[in-house]
Amino acid sequence: NAGVTQTPKFQVLKTGQSMTLQCAQDMNHEYMSWYRQDPGMGLRLIHYSVGAGITDQGEVPNGYNVSRSTTEDFPLRLLSAAPSQTSVYFCASSYSGGLWETQYFGPGTRLLVL
Amino acid sequence: GENVEQHPSTLSVQEGDSAVIKCTYSDSASNYFPWYKQELGKRPQLIIDIRSNVGEKKDQRIAVTLNKTAKHFSLHITETQPEDSAVYFCAATGSARQLTFGSGTQLTVLP
Repeated sequence: NAGVTQTPKFQVLKTGQSMTLQCAQDMNHEYMSWYRQDPGMGLRLIHYSVGAGITDQGEVPNGYNVSRSTTEDFPLRLLSAAPSQTSVYFCASSYSGGLWETQYFGPGTRLLVL
Repeated sequence: GENVEQHPSTLSVQEGDSAVIKCTYSDSASNYFPWYKQELGKRPQLIIDIRSNVGEKKDQRIAVTLNKTAKHFSLHITETQPEDSAVYFCAATGSARQLTFGSGTQLTVLP
């Protein structure tokens, strides 16, 4: 199993550009989520999904969109990138227990917005 | 919503000594408390977790204690080794159905 994979590993954007961060898992996990990690602030939840077709907002959802058309994939879209979105983004998945189970993190995407 | 505070932000110990990291949470409904370890440039990985119906849990050199009354939980690492050097995050899941992380502790084990 590849586990949780993310692409790209690193991306540079200009302010106002849009892009999609890809996340996929091959463990048949129902629960998937996106976090951003900023220095000194831990990981903050952006959006999460409890299954295909179901998504919900986390702590910091503004400026991001998600969709969940399949169990395997959970892309994160930046609609109009801003310097404040410079961060490291982690995708995570877990079994049906969701937040009350082990979160398996992807390797992360480092995003720089100029 | 839930607020998780973590202390200290940095911790240096001599190899072989013990390390203790403490977290407090605000939501009395929180019932799941995991700890994640993140090495430099790597992804966070679960090292131990505890649920609200348990006061203490051990896994070899690592232990976690939970005091629900005081709303705090702690990570204890005994006989520290250089490979224990990393950033450690506590987290809590509460009534908002979100996993809220603390701000992290940089642990350095000195040889």
